[in-house]
Amino acid sequence: GAVVSQHPSWVICKSGTSVKIECRSLDFQATTMFWYRQFPKQSLMLMATSNEGSKATYEQGVEKDKFLINHASLTLSTLTVTSAHPEDSSFYICSAYPGAAETQYFGPGTRLLVL
Amino acid sequence: LAKTTQPISMDSYEGQEVNITCSHNNIATNDYITWYQQFPSQGPRFIIQGYKTKVTNEVASLFIPADRKSSTLSLPRVSLSDTAVYYCLVVLSGGYQKVTFGIGTKLQVIP
Repeated sequence: GAVVSQHPSWVICKSGTSVKIECRSLDFQATTMFWYRQFPKQSLMLMATSNEGSKATYEQGVEKDKFLINHASLTLSTLTVTSAHPEDSSFYICSAYPGAAETQYFGPGTRLLVL
Repeated sequence: LAKTTQPISMDSYEGQEVNITCSHNNIATNDYITWYQQFPSQGPRFIIQGYKTKVTNEVASLFIPADRKSSTLSLPRVSLSDTAVYYCLVVLSGGYQKVTFGIGTKLQVIP
């Protein structure tokens, strides 16, 4: 149980294009989903917190107009990197929190390379 | 959010028991201690979570002293496949679990 998937697992795009990453909780409903970014040899950095049906809360320094988050249902959240640039190349990881005293469960990550 | 401190790296030979200690001096009453494992290019994987004393599962044990200002993750008889980064997190119980990842401990298992 407690499986989180991400799609795609990797993506290469041209500078200036937009990329959408999906995060799904497969066998549970997630009251909250989180999006992280991880650069090589660094730790995970929280980008934003999203709750189903409401606007995401972004961490300081994260541009909300560049990283659009939609949490349309209790099992799906999407992150859209708009007008991607090479500096947005990173490993993007989502997690889903079932609520109560549970822990959050992480997806496998999406590798984004912007050329 | 309580800050955690862990050793940056550790080496161990195969078959040995590995203990990774984490300090969390500012832990609050309702906080739980959670450990994750991360392999390169993968998302973190939940290992174990505890509040106090000792917790054991099929993968690891977690020791938490009475003052809860530190915790120790114990991995019995490590193998090469246990080479990974291990993160100690302090998580608010019942909350939405916003967490801050520290640098983690890079465990290298040597044959």
